[in-house]
Formats: sequence, structure tokens, C-alpha cells
Amino acid sequence: QVQLQQWGAGLLKPSETLSLTCDAYGGSLSGYYWSFIRQAPGKGLEWIGEINQSGNTDYSPSLKSRVTISIDMSKSQFSLKLSSVTAADTAVYYCARAPAWRPGFFDSWGQGTLVTVSS
Amino acid sequence: DIQMTQSPSSLSASVGDRVSITCRASQGIINSLAWYQQKPGEAPKLLLYAASRLESRVPSRFSGSGSGTDYTLTISSLQPEDFATYYCQQYYSIPRTFGQGTKVEIK
Repeated sequence: QVQLQQWGAGLLKPSETLSLTCDAYGGSLSGYYWSFIRQAPGKGLEWIGEINQSGNTDYSPSLKSRVTISIDMSKSQFSLKLSSVTAADTAVYYCARAPAWRPGFFDSWGQGTLVTVSS
Repeated sequence: DIQMTQSPSSLSASVGDRVSITCRASQGIINSLAWYQQKPGEAPKLLLYAASRLESRVPSRFSGSGSGTDYTLTISSLQPEDFATYYCQQYYSIPRTFGQGTKVEIK
């Protein structure tokens, strides 16, 4: 059973770049799509984007200009970069897995990383 | 983007009650709908996908139904561990979008 373990900086200043990495312990990245999803404090869930094993990506239009998701199959890791952060980007960020046979719903989630943007 | 609207936003219920939560999509999503449960401080947990398919190891008191734009999550007999927030999510198109959540509280 794969476990998604994620890490990254928890406190950023405005205009900095958010960087998170997610590792699929006990499993392979093959056969799945890999997403990042965030949740602002006390709010609902917002999908950021996804990547597959071939490196093909899709992003939320509202974040597309600032987001890059990449994948390293050799390390079983995938990563999120979000540039030019503001206070509005303060949220818990999750990585998540979707089955490739029908990508889009998330059957495994990381533990979440709280990222706070503050000067 | 497809907008997902859940109702109610919150509800109070007792252990043993039958509870239903509805989710309406702004356009047809052909059963490309998932339901999640989230408890405070935890990541969401997948309950159902394809509108009515139960994820493995999820209790059978959870069920889903619907078609087109309207979908329902039903908990047949509410248990103490079911008090949580529930989200629907469409995966018919990108961007993937979630409902605003329904908080199920103890009456």
C-alpha cells in the first residue's frame, strides 16, 4: 500500500516560490496521475494541477501562470512549485494519487503541509 | 469550470439517523463524481467514485446515487465516527472542482 509523504518549507514571504515534494513510499509512480490540492484555513478544497508518468501536465487555469509540477520516476517523487506567492496562497497543501484508468478522483493522499505566506 | 454546489452546508443529526447530502453540477458530468470524508486535521478520504462505487474498506452504510447533474450521498445509519465534513468532486473535466463541503454535526 503506497504512502504519500510530503515535505517543503512551511513559512514563506510574499513574492517567494513555494516548493513541495511528495514521495510515493512503497509504490511506483507508474499507472497513476499525481496531483496537488490545497485547502485555505477553514475553507474547501482547490485542485492545483496534475502530472502523469510521461510528464504530461494539466493545471488549474486560475493558477496556471504560476504553477509547475514535475516528476522524477527514478526517485518515485513528484514536486510542486508555485511562484510569486501572496497571503492568498496560505493553505494546507496535499499531494494525491488518481488511478490512470480513470484519472481525476483521488484514492490516496499525503498528510498535508501547512504553508503560511507572511511578511 | 464546472461549479459544484452542495446542500445543505451543514446539518445536525443523531447516531442512527439516515442522512443525505446532495451535490449539483453546473453541467452534466456523466457520473464522474467522487465523495470524500474529511475530519479535522486530516487529509480527505475517498468514500465513493463513479457516483456510486464504494471504495475498498469503506463501510456499506455509505452509498451514492444520481445522474446527469444531480447526485446524492446517503449514510444509512449514522455512526459516531461519521461526524465530519463531506465533499463532492467532479472529474468529468479539468479543472477538477469540489463542492464547498457539508459539515455533519452531532445533534
